[in-house]
Amino acid sequence: QVQLQQSGAELAKPGSSVKISCKASGYTFTSYYISWIKQTTGQGLEYIGYINTGSGGTNYNEKFKGKATLTVDKSSSTAFMQLSSLTPDDSAVYYCASGRRWFAYWGQGTLVTVSS
Amino acid sequence: DVQMTQSLSYLAASPGESVSISCKASKSISNYLAWYQQKPGEAYKLLIYSGSTLQSGTPSRFSGSGSGTDFTLTIRSLEPEDFGLYYCQQYYEKPLTFGSGTKLEIK
Repeated sequence: QVQLQQSGAELAKPGSSVKISCKASGYTFTSYYISWIKQTTGQGLEYIGYINTGSGGTNYNEKFKGKATLTVDKSSSTAFMQLSSLTPDDSAVYYCASGRRWFAYWGQGTLVTVSS
Repeated sequence: DVQMTQSLSYLAASPGESVSISCKASKSISNYLAWYQQKPGEAYKLLIYSGSTLQSGTPSRFSGSGSGTDFTLTIRSLEPEDFGLYYCQQYYEKPLTFGSGTKLEIK
């Protein structure tokens, strides 16, 4: 069965970066794009962008350009999202999901807490 | 950005009843709409895409309708496992956007 397994919770200091992973299994990795979504209590669900797992091509929500960087490692069937210059506003649960229009499979979410 | 409004943030119903959850887009999105269910401790589950197409594995008691700006997710004959949060999402234009969610509680 298709699974997206995300890395564990992160506690980071303001100004630092974190890199979250999303390991896919149960299907051919390059068959689906991987998208990333941010969830907060205040803003709800926000779409960050997607990566073409075959070519590495990316598309970002303007709001997250410069904040998020999406990459893939096809050899390990893993997608990554790096968040840089962290501020408390980046504290959220981040999800990876398969697809770039609707999302058939989701990871379990990674909690990122930004605090000094 | 296209704003997606789920006017009901909370809904309670009894097993066996039918419920409808609405979602309104700030502009016409044709039928480029998906519905998701989120339950505590579980991954998000895609229920419906293209407004009314059931994802494989979605029980037939779920149905989606609507086009343009107004959409409805209907659950016929509620089962206890149907509690949770329901979100709509448009993919008509970028950035993709989500509704704020409707929490369905089973009485």
